[in-house]
Amino acid sequence: EVQLLESGGGLVQPGGSLRLSCVASGFTFSSYAMSWVRQAPGKGLEWVSGTSGNGGSTYYAGSVKGRFTISRDNSKNTLYLQMSSLRAEDTAVYYCAIGGTYPGSHSDYWGQGTLVTVSS
Amino acid sequence: DIQMTQSPSSLSASIGDRVTITCRASQSISSYLNWYQQKPGKAPKLLIFGASSLHYGVPSRFSGSGSGTDFTLTISSLQPEDFATYYCQQSSSTPQTFGQGTKVEIK
Repeated sequence: EVQLLESGGGLVQPGGSLRLSCVASGFTFSSYAMSWVRQAPGKGLEWVSGTSGNGGSTYYAGSVKGRFTISRDNSKNTLYLQMSSLRAEDTAVYYCAIGGTYPGSHSDYWGQGTLVTVSS
Repeated sequence: DIQMTQSPSSLSASIGDRVTITCRASQSISSYLNWYQQKPGKAPKLLIFGASSLHYGVPSRFSGSGSGTDFTLTISSLQPEDFATYYCQQSSSTPQTFGQGTKVEIK
């Protein structure tokens, strides 16, 4: 059974940093591109970042480029999102998902999400 | 970035109704269009990929059509479990942008 389990969310002050993790199981993690999608409270979905199966290619939304870094450790079946210079508008539930990176891709498995709140 | 615009933003419908949601891309995306369903407090679920391919396990009352810039999600006979918010997403290029969502409510 495919499972994605996010962690690392919490309350952080503006300008602070946080690292999210997504532990994957039930599939060959290194064979799949992965992505992060977020959803601000009461708002729609926003694609944040994606990475190739070997982590060699990374992609970012303009709203987070230069502040967020996506990475993965295929030996640990874990995807990461390092977030820095956090702003109030980064407050959201962050989902990791399989796929969602290359043209023609889609995300058929999602985690349950982890909430990040940026506030003083 | 490619902008995705859904209409309507919300709709009220009754059980058994035929429901149609449209999604328009700001430039041609071929058939690189996905549809997701999301219920409150839950992660999105994939319904349709490649504009018209039904994801495994999704009921056949859901269907998708379109290519280029204009796409449609149709629910042929609305069921109680279909009340949710629906999102289109283009996968033609990164960032893989979403539409703003269409909330389907009970009339």
